[in-house]
This record gives sequence, C-alpha cells and structure tokens, in this order.
Amino acid sequence: NAGVTQTPKFRILKIGQSMTLQCAQDMNHNYMYWYRQDPGMGLKLIYYSVGAGITDKGEVPNGYNVSRSTTEDFPLRLELAAPSQTSVYFCASSNNALGLAGGGENIQYFGAGTRLSVL
Amino acid sequence: DAKTTQPTSMDCAEGRAANLPCNHSTISGNEYVYWYRQIHSQGPQYIIHGLKNNETNEMASLIITEDRKSSTLILPHATLRDTAVYYCIVRAVRSGGGADGLTFGKGTHLIIQP
Repeated sequence: NAGVTQTPKFRILKIGQSMTLQCAQDMNHNYMYWYRQDPGMGLKLIYYSVGAGITDKGEVPNGYNVSRSTTEDFPLRLELAAPSQTSVYFCASSNNALGLAGGGENIQYFGAGTRLSVL
Repeated sequence: DAKTTQPTSMDCAEGRAANLPCNHSTISGNEYVYWYRQIHSQGPQYIIHGLKNNETNEMASLIITEDRKSSTLILPHATLRDTAVYYCIVRAVRSGGGADGLTFGKGTHLIIQP
C-alpha cells in the first residue's frame, strides 16, 4: 500500500530559486493538506484542498502556492526560496467518513516528508 | 478547537504499559480527542480517536474521563519502536467532513527503555 507519497525526500535550494514539492495519494481521498515542521516544533498548516480545483490557505501560506488538478496530486510550489522556508514539509490526505456524532471526522494520513534547506 | 496540555517527556520500560496523559479542560461537547505519534524523521501516524466513550484498536486504548476534561492513551505492551513524540489533539466536528487542518502542539516525547 503506497498511501501518501512525497518527492523528493531531500533538497537544497539557493536563495531565490524555485521548486515544486510533489505529493500523491492513492486512497481516493478528497481532502489533502500541506504542513511544515520547524525543528522542535509541531506541524503548521500551509494550504489544504477539499477536492480537485479547490484550495484554501492555512495558517502559514505566505511564500507558497498550490494547485489541485486531480484527486490524486497536490503539489506545493515555492517561487522565491528564502532561508525562513528551511523546514520539513509533510503532505497528508483524509476522507470525510461520518463520525460518532454524525458529522465529519478527519483522520489524516501523512507522507514521509521532504526535508528542505535554503542556503 | 480546545487547547491541550501534555507532559514534555516520559519514560517507560519495555514490555510495560505506557500511559500518556492529556488535559483538555476546555473541551466542548462536539470535539473529538485524537492521538497521533511521530517517530523520529517520519510523518505523523494516526493512532486512535474518541468522543466520549473509551476506545480500543490494535495499536492502543483511549480512556476519556466522564467529564471529558482529560484523557489517557495506553500502549499496553510498549516496545522500543514505540519511542516517539505523541500528540493529543482536540478538534471539533466540522460540517461537510472537516476539511481544515489539525493543530499539533509539542506533544510528549515517550522514550521506551530496554
């Protein structure tokens, strides 16, 4: 079972360069997410998507862009890399199964992460 | 979503039960308690969640107090591979399925000692 696949695993960028972090899931989940995790800290939400063609900002969207042209893929774009974007990036996906209270639950499945350094 | 408080770190002997506490005294009636863990250099992994009743699955048990202001995650027979950071997250039920993200704090660093 592949689950959520992220590429690349590691990358070093120079200030001002751009790159795309790839994320793909094979669980037919509608919802996908991008988080970043700085050393010793918890995860912070960058962007999320509720389905193909629909994206929305999370807590820390500045400096990033996303697109969602298919259910499976949710790439994250860094246009002008800055040292402050040095972090580990995690992609996640979830379904919207009905929960105990009759509403939506949110069990997220995460990829292995992309470790990015901007020098 | 309600704020959670967890100890920074805990030790547990291999083979013993690991009991990880979480305080969520401001939890609302429609908020679930979720537990995730993150093994070093890996992505977070879902463990278990519950609303008001105790829950058990193949990984762990979740005990929620009657007033729902605190909970305990129990790993019944801890192994060295259970060494990880454990996150307790409280999150409201969202209409439409819950499309926004989870709020991760700093969690509890559980160290299983051989």
